[in-house]
Amino acid sequence: ILNVEQSPQSLHVQEGDSTNFTCSFPSSNFYALHWYRWETAKSPEALFVMTLNGDEKKKGRISATLNTKEGYSYLYIKGSQPEDSATYLCASHSGSARQLTFGSGTQLTVLP
Amino acid sequence: EAQVTQNPRYLITVTGKKLTVTCSQNMNHEYMSWYRQDPGLGLRQIYYSMNVEVTDKGDVPEGYKVSRKEKRNFPLILESPSPNQTSLYFCASSATSAGEQFFGPGTRLTVL
Repeated sequence: ILNVEQSPQSLHVQEGDSTNFTCSFPSSNFYALHWYRWETAKSPEALFVMTLNGDEKKKGRISATLNTKEGYSYLYIKGSQPEDSATYLCASHSGSARQLTFGSGTQLTVLP
Repeated sequence: EAQVTQNPRYLITVTGKKLTVTCSQNMNHEYMSWYRQDPGLGLRQIYYSMNVEVTDKGDVPEGYKVSRKEKRNFPLILESPSPNQTSLYFCASSATSAGEQFFGPGTRLTVL
């Protein structure tokens, strides 16, 4: 079983603040890293799927970076808005496995 | 509309009474999986399927069965549910095992 860790576990920020979270994963046999956004009472929705070391992806105010050699990914939110409040999940896929392993998530609350 | 459906959405049952949670996807995805979500533990994979008639255990398969007789359907079977199977269950599908996961709406199961 892969060990995928996310930090912090929860985070409260003020509207307009920028913030970031960390996902760490085993770097050996790495194949892909996923980020999902999970709002309360809804299903997780994919934000990014990244495979290459140094990869950076952006969707609106949200961006992510990937370092496969040291086994971490950062998710950044610029100018947080209350609608960004959600749990952000990362998941790692190793080439030798056939499954994604999820971290326990970072719960973000953006206060108006 | 591309989607993953699950039924039922909510279920309260008693220990030992067999139940099935259905999952269906209309995206012609080869890969399907079942997860359970428990507080503080994130999403844990129960079973997955790489294609029709190909299924394999995830991280927490005990007490569950699955089948994949058709590409679109992947039911989760609890032959003899127990209270420790009370959880929120998600079905997901993707084009490949490492690809973006599309999640169903979730099934909240309570076993008394």
